[in-house]
Amino acid sequence: DAKTTQPNSMESNEEEPVHLPCNHSTISGTDYIHWYRQLPSQGPEYVIHGLTSNVNNRMASLAIAEDRKSSTLILHRATLRDAAVYYCILRAMDTGRRALTFGSGTRLQVQP
Amino acid sequence: EPEVTQTPSHQVTQMGQEVILRCVPISNHLYFYWYRQILGQKVEFLVSFYNNEISEKSEIFDDQFSVERPDGSNFTLKIRSTKLEDSAMYFCASSGTLAKNIQYFGAGTRLSVL
Repeated sequence: DAKTTQPNSMESNEEEPVHLPCNHSTISGTDYIHWYRQLPSQGPEYVIHGLTSNVNNRMASLAIAEDRKSSTLILHRATLRDAAVYYCILRAMDTGRRALTFGSGTRLQVQP
Repeated sequence: EPEVTQTPSHQVTQMGQEVILRCVPISNHLYFYWYRQILGQKVEFLVSFYNNEISEKSEIFDDQFSVERPDGSNFTLKIRSTKLEDSAMYFCASSGTLAKNIQYFGAGTRLSVL
């Protein structure tokens, strides 16, 4: 699997936007970019995924660079509940490999 | 909203004992997974299961581990002879379609081996 690089930690203030970066310079053409998060004492939770175009859902937005070597997860208005570890994961499209490979992720702290 | 349910939330066992961790995946899902997370470390893949057989497993998933889907709803992870280093959070996940493969995780079972 191609490797991703994320900052170890980030801080944000409540109700402000948060931009969580991810570098994946060795991404292949068929890799989807997935984001999961893990709230304290809980299992990972799917956030969003995309291939080439920017994506929006009720939780977040995903901005993908034109060369696909990096992406940014955008939380438009951080809440205290968004404090979690955020994982950027590349996942090959339908290769039969179905595991998610978690890295260390970015620990997001949200200050009131 | 449908969710993956895991029981028990906390299991304490003696070294060498067998444990069975139970999971009820989302009802129409076809793919099932176990992951574990040792305290302070990364989430690690153990095994995936589809069509009543293992489709992929990691190096961690050795002969001491087994999985089973004994009926139409439960998915279990058995550790035959627990070791101290098996102490971890164990997460079950399920997914419904191959193309998207969005995995939905349970809240986990904390296994403490004494």
